[in-house]
Amino acid sequence: EIVLTQSPGTLSLSPGERATLSCRASQSVSSSYLAWYQQKPGQAPRLLICGASNRATGIPDRFSGSGSGTDFTLTISRLEPEDFAVYCCQQYHSSPITFGQGTRLEIK
Amino acid sequence: QVQLVESGGGVDQPGGSLRLSCAASGFTFSSYGMHWVRQAPGKGLEWVAFIRYDGSSSYYADSVKGRFTISRDNSKSTLYLQMNSLRPEDTAFYYCAKDRDPIKVGPLYFFDYWGQGTLVTVSS
Repeated sequence: EIVLTQSPGTLSLSPGERATLSCRASQSVSSSYLAWYQQKPGQAPRLLICGASNRATGIPDRFSGSGSGTDFTLTISRLEPEDFAVYCCQQYHSSPITFGQGTRLEIK
Repeated sequence: QVQLVESGGGVDQPGGSLRLSCAASGFTFSSYGMHWVRQAPGKGLEWVAFIRYDGSSSYYADSVKGRFTISRDNSKSTLYLQMNSLRPEDTAFYYCAKDRDPIKVGPLYFFDYWGQGTLVTVSS
C-alpha cells in the first residue's frame, strides 16, 4: 500500500503568515489522485483539495494545492484564525485508500 | 443540505459485535458510493470499507476483512457497518463518508461529506 508521510508534524505560525504543508508518497500517485482535508476537534473532516490542485466547492482561494508523483504541497497563503486545525492528505490512486498521519497547524 | 449522522457506537468486549448506522439526507443516497473511515484516538485516518451505490459490490481494508460487513438500504437512505469479532485495535471514531461524484463503481475516490463520527471502544 502507498504510505503517505506528512511534514512537519506540527507547524506553529501566526495569523497572516503563509503555511506550507508537505505530503510525500512512498510510490508515485499518478494522475495526481491526491486530496487534502481539514479536521477540527469534534467536527467532520472537510474536503479542501482534490486532484492535487483543484479546490473543492466553497473553499477560499487562500488554499492551494500543488505537486505530482510523490511530492505534494498544501499552501495557505494568509492564515486566518479559523485555519488552525489538522490537515491530512489522502491518495486514491491505488487500493487501499490511505491517509497521511496529519499536520497540526497551531497558533504561535 | 447534505447530512450524514452516525449512530450505534459504544463499548464492547473483545470478540463482541456492534452495528453502526449512518443516516443520510440532502442528496440522492442511491446514486453515491459510500465509505466507512475510522480514526483511533490521537491517530490518523484509516479507510475501512466501501460499498457501491447500488450495493452490488463492496471492498474492505485487510485489517477488517472477514470481520466487518458494509451494507446499505437505499429505501431508507442508510448505510451500515456490522462489526463482529471486535478487537481492542478496532477502538476508534467511525465516520461515514460520501463519494463526491455519483455512480462510481470502485472504492478509489475522495469524499466531499463526512459525518461527525461515532466512537467504538473495545475493552475488557
